[in-house]
Amino acid sequence: EAGVAQSPRYKIIEKRQSVAFWCNPISGHATLYWYQQILGQGPKLLIQFQNNGVVDDSQLPKDRFSAERLKGVDSTLKIQPAKLEDSAVYLCASSLRTVNTGELFFGEGSRLTVL
Amino acid sequence: ELKVEQNPLFLSMQEGKNYTIYCNYSTTSDRLYWYRQDPGKSLESLFVLLSNGAVKQEGRLMASLDTKARLSTLHITAAVHDLSATYFCAVDGATSGSRLTFGEGTQLTVNP
Repeated sequence: EAGVAQSPRYKIIEKRQSVAFWCNPISGHATLYWYQQILGQGPKLLIQFQNNGVVDDSQLPKDRFSAERLKGVDSTLKIQPAKLEDSAVYLCASSLRTVNTGELFFGEGSRLTVL
Repeated sequence: ELKVEQNPLFLSMQEGKNYTIYCNYSTTSDRLYWYRQDPGKSLESLFVLLSNGAVKQEGRLMASLDTKARLSTLHITAAVHDLSATYFCAVDGATSGSRLTFGEGTQLTVNP
């Protein structure tokens, strides 16, 4: 079974530029998450989708971050304009909530460096 | 707001020794997860704990959950170098679906 796919793996931009990250979840997983992991910290939830609807975006800095999940499959996370503090790894995860487990499966992440 | 605290944050231990990592959380939940992260890599699921008193073991690692105390432990038995990694606990605070809040992580180094 293919895992969660993310691209690009690495991106270096200057502040005030824009960047977009793409995620393809595990087939059949209705729930998709974007997490931000700053170096030395635990992942922090940015946004959660159920199919193509937003379930929780309370921690998404909406003045600069946006995300969409068209057709309930792939998702894109965009940052515009980027700030220095956005340097982090952006992790995409998906889950298939069943009676027994709500385990999340993570992609390799997209590492962003803002100069 | 759900808060998840791990301790210790840094742990250096010798091979062959035992140790326990603690994970406390602030609100009621009966779903807790442990993940492992190697440097530059993503998170690998280790254990899924879904009820009070749940205990899971895999190799030298054993995880348990006490929902009344809002505490989970990850016990390491006879540590080996390959266990060196960062370990995260995550608590599901959602009433429907899954929404994980992560602790800060425990960076474990096992020395020969």
